[in-house]
Amino acid sequence: EVQLVESGGGLVQPGGSLRLSCAASGFTISSYWMGWVRQAPGKGLEWVANIKQDGSEKYYVDSVKGRFTISRDTAQNSLYLQMNSLRAEDTAVYYCAQAMGGAFDYWGQGTLATVSS
Amino acid sequence: DIVMTQTPLSSPVTLGQPASISCRSSQSLVHSDGNTYLSWLQQRPGQPPRLLIYKISNRFSGVPDRFSGSGAGTDFTLKISRVEAEDVGVYYCMQAAQFPITFGPGTKVDVK
Repeated sequence: EVQLVESGGGLVQPGGSLRLSCAASGFTISSYWMGWVRQAPGKGLEWVANIKQDGSEKYYVDSVKGRFTISRDTAQNSLYLQMNSLRAEDTAVYYCAQAMGGAFDYWGQGTLATVSS
Repeated sequence: DIVMTQTPLSSPVTLGQPASISCRSSQSLVHSDGNTYLSWLQQRPGQPPRLLIYKISNRFSGVPDRFSGSGAGTDFTLKISRVEAEDVGVYYCMQAAQFPITFGPGTKVDVK
């Protein structure tokens, strides 16, 4: 059974950093594209970043380029999102997802990151 | 960036009746590999999104056959043949033909 479990969210001040983790089980992350999608409170879905199976390609939404870094650890079978220089508008539930066939087929439950002073 | 629009944004439905949601993209979603990367997701209240349909019309594992997808190029439709109570939620279309991946604004389906 495929499972994705996010962690690492919390309250951080503007300008601060958070590192989100996503522990995968039931499959090997090195066999799939993986991604992060966020949802601000009461709002719709926004794609944040994707990483290719071998880690050779990474893509980001413009609003996080230069501030967020997606990475993975195949030994831990985990995906990460390092978020620096956080802004109030980064407040959201962050979901990790497995990507296949041009769609996000499995999603985690999400972790809430709140940026506020 | 490809802009995704959905209509309607809200759809009150009667249980047992059909429902339809339209999604339009600002550019063709046909990828250079020949596939059209348009998918539909459902988000029930308080839950993460769930994949329903991928590549226009392919139902994901475990998705009831009352859900169907159709369309081509820039115009796509999700249909629910007979709405059940568990179908209440927000439905999103998503394109992955090119980066950045973009979502529609969502269509809220609730019971009249």
